[in-house]
Amino acid sequence: DGGITQSPKYLFRKEGQNVTLSCEQNLNHDAMYWYRQDPGQGLRLIYYSQIVNDFQKGDIAEGYSVSREKKESFPLTVTSAQKNPTAFYLCASSRLAGWTDTQYFGPGTRLTVL
Amino acid sequence: GQQVMQIPQYQHVQEGEDFTTYCNSSTTLSNIQWYKQRPGGHPVFLIQLVKSGEVKKQKRLTFQFGEAKKNSSLHITATQTTDVGTYFCAGEIQGAQKLVFGQGTRLTINP
Repeated sequence: DGGITQSPKYLFRKEGQNVTLSCEQNLNHDAMYWYRQDPGQGLRLIYYSQIVNDFQKGDIAEGYSVSREKKESFPLTVTSAQKNPTAFYLCASSRLAGWTDTQYFGPGTRLTVL
Repeated sequence: GQQVMQIPQYQHVQEGEDFTTYCNSSTTLSNIQWYKQRPGGHPVFLIQLVKSGEVKKQKRLTFQFGEAKKNSSLHITATQTTDVGTYFCAGEIQGAQKLVFGQGTRLTINP
């Protein structure tokens, strides 16, 4: 699976609670990404980071937050402000910053908010 | 907004039949990548096309990038049950510094 781990695989939370999804890579990749996947839709970019201690909003960043304190870690927090948080969340990394390099995806976390 | 449209959304074929999925962009793409996601799995990179008119083959899979770099296709010859999954294209929008995924084509196969 390309050395990217996401945990847990399934996550259940009550409405109104913040939840943090883990993403770790041991590939020494510079860039990391968070995507959201809903049924029948493609992947939508939430946040991305091309270098440690820096990150940018993607197309659907509202209600989410991230940090990139270490090169190998890029956790995503789904806050209570996210109106429809139930989805499949995918983390990815690429060796180089920029959008040309191949992205390697983790196994994903399926979040269900009750 | 900038979109990459992918058709069809679903395709069901008999094993042994061919399959094609198409991606179209309203704007020029710097490159296009193709990914495969098996049911319950995560996207796995298949290939990247960069040059106008480029054609690449991987065994029974043929990938094309249009002359105008606005469209691409993936063709599978003589499908096998192992081909089941959702195929996504992802285009880097020229000058926009972003990768946009198509909605995916879900391929199911009758053995």
